[in-house]
Amino acid sequence: AQSVTQLDSQVPVFEEAPVELRCNYSSSVSVYLFWYVQYPNQGLQLLLKYLSGSTLVKGINGFEAEFNKSQTSFHLRKPSVHISDTAEYFCAVTFSYNTDKLIFGTGTRLQVFP
Amino acid sequence: EADIYQTPRYLVIGTGKKITLECSQTMGHDKMYWYQQDPGMELHLIHYSYGVNSTEKGDLSSESTVSRIRTEHFPLTLESARPSHTSQYLCASTVSLEQFFGPGTRLTVL
Repeated sequence: AQSVTQLDSQVPVFEEAPVELRCNYSSSVSVYLFWYVQYPNQGLQLLLKYLSGSTLVKGINGFEAEFNKSQTSFHLRKPSVHISDTAEYFCAVTFSYNTDKLIFGTGTRLQVFP
Repeated sequence: EADIYQTPRYLVIGTGKKITLECSQTMGHDKMYWYQQDPGMELHLIHYSYGVNSTEKGDLSSESTVSRIRTEHFPLTLESARPSHTSQYLCASTVSLEQFFGPGTRLTVL
């Protein structure tokens, strides 16, 4: 069965430090991958997406992610975080044979400390 | 910025009440979705629609119902709310594989 696993429920980090949020997926078919961010009391906002082409994808707010097909991973990175990056981050996947639905991971809470 | 709206943002009601959560989008998107989100959990799809007069049940069983009479409007109704319905409900619409989300309605049933 297809699924998405976010390995860390919480990631604490100091301001200006680098961060990596991990995401692995399980699928036997081609996938499209997404990272969304959710700030407190708001809906989800798309950070970046991988559809095809270059495996390194750049998104908004200085985030990037790398699609690794052999490891079925799509980890999110930022070289230097800000206090304002404190939020919940969700990895999501949809499948090339049926793009009607997104499957979400359980989320990673990024907490940036001064 | 996506133009998708949800009202109310917060709702506290008693058991047995009928409620309707509103969702509207001004982007003309055909596909719309309702998700249920509990703290520390993934989003669960409860309903979706391909367009006017189309409604489908999602992966998570829900006692709620939806309607799609107009492209821009996708309301969700609970005929008799129960404490187990306490959750956050997120509405979304999609184009070109990107889903745009509303701010959510946080529902508490006492």
